[in-house]
Amino acid sequence: AQTVTQSQPEMSVQEAETVTLSCTYDTSESDYYLFWYKQPPSRQMILVIRQEAYKQQNATENRFSVNFQKAAKSFSLKISDSQLGDAAMYFCAYRSSKYNNNDMRFGAGTRLTVKP
Amino acid sequence: NAGVTQTPKFRILKIGQSMTLQCTQDMNHNYMYWYRQDPGMGLKLIYYSVGAGITDKGEVPNGYNVSRSTTEDFPLRLELAAPSQTSVYFCASSYATGIVAYEQYFGPGTRLTVT
Repeated sequence: AQTVTQSQPEMSVQEAETVTLSCTYDTSESDYYLFWYKQPPSRQMILVIRQEAYKQQNATENRFSVNFQKAAKSFSLKISDSQLGDAAMYFCAYRSSKYNNNDMRFGAGTRLTVKP
Repeated sequence: NAGVTQTPKFRILKIGQSMTLQCTQDMNHNYMYWYRQDPGMGLKLIYYSVGAGITDKGEVPNGYNVSRSTTEDFPLRLELAAPSQTSVYFCASSYATGIVAYEQYFGPGTRLTVT
């Protein structure tokens, strides 16, 4: 079974600085999807960014970008120009691309604190 | 467009009681999911549905039941509640074809305590 590991339970960053959150995963599949979700204190899960494994180009969404290293099975999230509103739990998630496989696997999360 | 809505937001159950967590989506998504999130952990899939009338087990289905009579609704039933079911429950929905699975949209969660 696929597993997702987030080795940093907590991270902090100064406002306007850059921070990178780490994620590694284990799979024997060659095609899959990877996601970063943000969970603020409201508990709402919000999609931050998504990466298809067959795409070599790293996904970007405004201040958020990923470093996808398929051979190393690594999927880190970089947040540039950090803002106070970025403070939240961040979850890395893996999903198989197989049509009948609906098991999205989540990591344990990284709590990000943004210092003013 | 309300997205994914869940009721109730909070609930306290006594051991052995039963309850149904409601979930509704108005995005005409074919897939719906139920997850639980234990303290300090990521989400784990309980059950999912690929369309009305079709449901299947996820990673942690024991102690739960689901039904999907309409596209919009996907209730989760807890029978004989146990303290191990104390958790935050999230419902999610997505659109998927035979080729592409799109991102999941989550509801706000239900915090359940069993004492």
